[in-house]
Amino acid sequence: GAVVSQHPSRVICKSGTSVKIECRSLDFQATTMFWYRQFPKQSLMLMATSNEGSKATYEQGVEKDKFLINHASLTLSTLTVTSAHPEDSSFYICSARSRGSGSTDTQYFGPGTRLTVL
Amino acid sequence: KQEVTQIPAALSVPEGENLVLNCSFTDSAIYNLQWFRQDPGKGLTSLLLIQSSQREQTSGRLNASLDKSSGRSTLYIAASQPGDSATYLCAVNGQNFVFGPGTRLSVLP
Repeated sequence: GAVVSQHPSRVICKSGTSVKIECRSLDFQATTMFWYRQFPKQSLMLMATSNEGSKATYEQGVEKDKFLINHASLTLSTLTVTSAHPEDSSFYICSARSRGSGSTDTQYFGPGTRLTVL
Repeated sequence: KQEVTQIPAALSVPEGENLVLNCSFTDSAIYNLQWFRQDPGKGLTSLLLIQSSQREQTSGRLNASLDKSSGRSTLYIAASQPGDSATYLCAVNGQNFVFGPGTRLSVLP
């Protein structure tokens, strides 16, 4: 099956620094990628939807200037958490939808990135 | 390595029926289990979250149960409606977040 990778799997950073998380579709082209986060003991929540070559669409309550999403190619989307604070500590997971799959919708999920901001 | 399976892979029912979706996982060392709904062209919508210490969660017409020791969860949908048509995913949060392959549900009017 299709594979989506995320890098890094875990990251620890100091408050005030920026962290970039990469999401790659390894064996297919992804026109759309989704970014989610999950706080401890809470549900996974959709943050934003990114389409290749266009601006991401953010869910209500998600600061687009803080969570910068770039989907510059059909195989790579990046999420940059700018000026990270401890409250940004969370589990971030991406998913990618394949291009021209012919089915109604098939999404493949990355393994997630656990961010800890000290 | 955690493996998550879902049965059935697809299900088509007439409107008004009650139905059960099944999720199984191999490693019982989990923090929680979630059920999601996936609509075409959209991201995931979280339906229910069950912590490892819980047995059951309910939201409206949805009820999810968890038997961690046997590695099973079920999602019960009461009085199904055409708007319930979607793919339903369960996901297990342990060392990693592992999703099942999903059950594609069609509710016929």
